[in-house]
Amino acid sequence: NAGVMQNPRHLVRRRGQEARLRCSPMKGHSHVYWYRQLPEEGLKFMVYLQKENIIDESGMPKERFSAEFPKEGPSILRIQQVVRGDSAAYFCASSPPKNPLPEAFFGQGTRLTVV
Amino acid sequence: LAKTTQPISMDSYEGQEVNITCSHNNIATNDYITWYQQFPSQGPRFIIQGYKTKVTNEVASLFIPADRKSSTLSLPRVSLSDTAVYYCLILATGGFKTIFGAGTRLFVKA
Repeated sequence: NAGVMQNPRHLVRRRGQEARLRCSPMKGHSHVYWYRQLPEEGLKFMVYLQKENIIDESGMPKERFSAEFPKEGPSILRIQQVVRGDSAAYFCASSPPKNPLPEAFFGQGTRLTVV
Repeated sequence: LAKTTQPISMDSYEGQEVNITCSHNNIATNDYITWYQQFPSQGPRFIIQGYKTKVTNEVASLFIPADRKSSTLSLPRVSLSDTAVYYCLILATGGFKTIFGAGTRLFVKA
C-alpha cells in the first residue's frame, strides 16, 4: 500500500505563474488535508476536502488559492499568480473517514520556490 | 485552538533518554495531546497520543499529569536517527484544523 504521494517534489515558478500541486491519498482514504510550512516554522492548516466536497477552507488565503478533490484523480492545490511569499513546503495528508489526525498520514511535500 | 509552548531546541548524546516537555495551559476537556516527528524534507509522522496519565508504545512514552496542563514526551536511548523536529499538538477528537508550531529541534550527537 503506497503512502500519500505528492508531486512534484520540487516546483519552481516565476512570479505571476500558476502552481499546481497534486496529492494522491492512500488507498481507501477519502479525506485530504493540505498544510503549508514556511521555512523554519511549523505547519499550518489550509483546507480539508472529501471527494468532490470542500469541508473546511478556513485556512486558505482568500485570493489566488483554490483546492479540489475530484471523484477521480488526485487532489489539486492551485495557486494562481504566485508571489515570492508563496514559497514554502506544502504538505498533504490523508485519512480514512473515521478520524482525521492523528491517523492521517502525510506525504513528503512539494517545495515551491517562486523566483 | 489550544496554544502549546515547547523548547526551541535540545541536544543529546546517543544512548541517552530525552524528555521534551510541552505546556498547554488552556487544554480543553475533549482535547488529546499528540506528538509528531518530522525529518528534514519529509512530512510529519505520528509518534504518540494520550489523554491522561501515561501512554507507552514501541517508540516513546508520554507522561501527562493530572491537571493535563503539560505533557512530557520521553524517548528512550536515542540514536543519531532520532535527530528531528518534534511537535506537540492539542487535538480534539476528529480535529484537523491545527497549527503545528515551531516544534523542538532535537540534535543527537555521537
